Amino acid sequence: AQSVTQLGSHVSVSEGALVLLRCNYSSSVPPYLFWYVQYPNQGLQLLLKYTTGATLVKGINGFEAEFKKSETSFHLTKPSAHMSDAAEYFCAVTGNTGGFKTIFGAGTRLFVKA
Amino acid sequence: DAGVIQSPRHEVTEMGQEVTLRCKPISGHNSLFWYRQTMMRGLELLIYFNNNVPIDDSGMPEDRFSAKMPNASFSTLKIQPSEPRDSAVYFCASTLGHLGIDTEAFFGQGTRLTVV
Repeated sequence: AQSVTQLGSHVSVSEGALVLLRCNYSSSVPPYLFWYVQYPNQGLQLLLKYTTGATLVKGINGFEAEFKKSETSFHLTKPSAHMSDAAEYFCAVTGNTGGFKTIFGAGTRLFVKA
Repeated sequence: DAGVIQSPRHEVTEMGQEVTLRCKPISGHNSLFWYRQTMMRGLELLIYFNNNVPIDDSGMPEDRFSAKMPNASFSTLKIQPSEPRDSAVYFCASTLGHLGIDTEAFFGQGTRLTVV
């Protein structure tokens, strides 16, 4: 079985500050891990993904995430927040458990203050 | 490719009426997912199909909900009878569903359902 826990339903940062959104997962099989972003009235868009290989993954819009197996974590970071980063962010895990079932975390809404 | 296409974008219906939501996945994708998003419960997986076969429908809330995928290019989610608590945004997503890097989910724009 797979599950995802996102710590903090709301995160507020100042423009230019570091963004850190936390995600912990559990999976009975090697996981594929994803971060998606949702802007108002839109569907989810992929930010970045980890499948195999390098544990530090770079995505769009300057975001990156590091897969840490020992900590079962996949936290999302961005060195400098921009106003346009304000959105809801979802961490997701997919595992091959007789089919590829993608489970999403509850989401973290990011607010960026001027 | 036009991406995942959902229709309608918005639906307002009266309690007790039947509602049908439609989804056209990306051509060539063999897995399709229906999600429901609400403020209270977040993004919930309702059901997913692989090669047109329902694999896991444990997220379907009750018998009023049903989903079909008659072919690789079309799926429906039906609610009969609808209730106000069904009001939510319903998303459809598709993936290639193969081992490797192709498990990224592509989402439609969603259908905002309001049951009054």
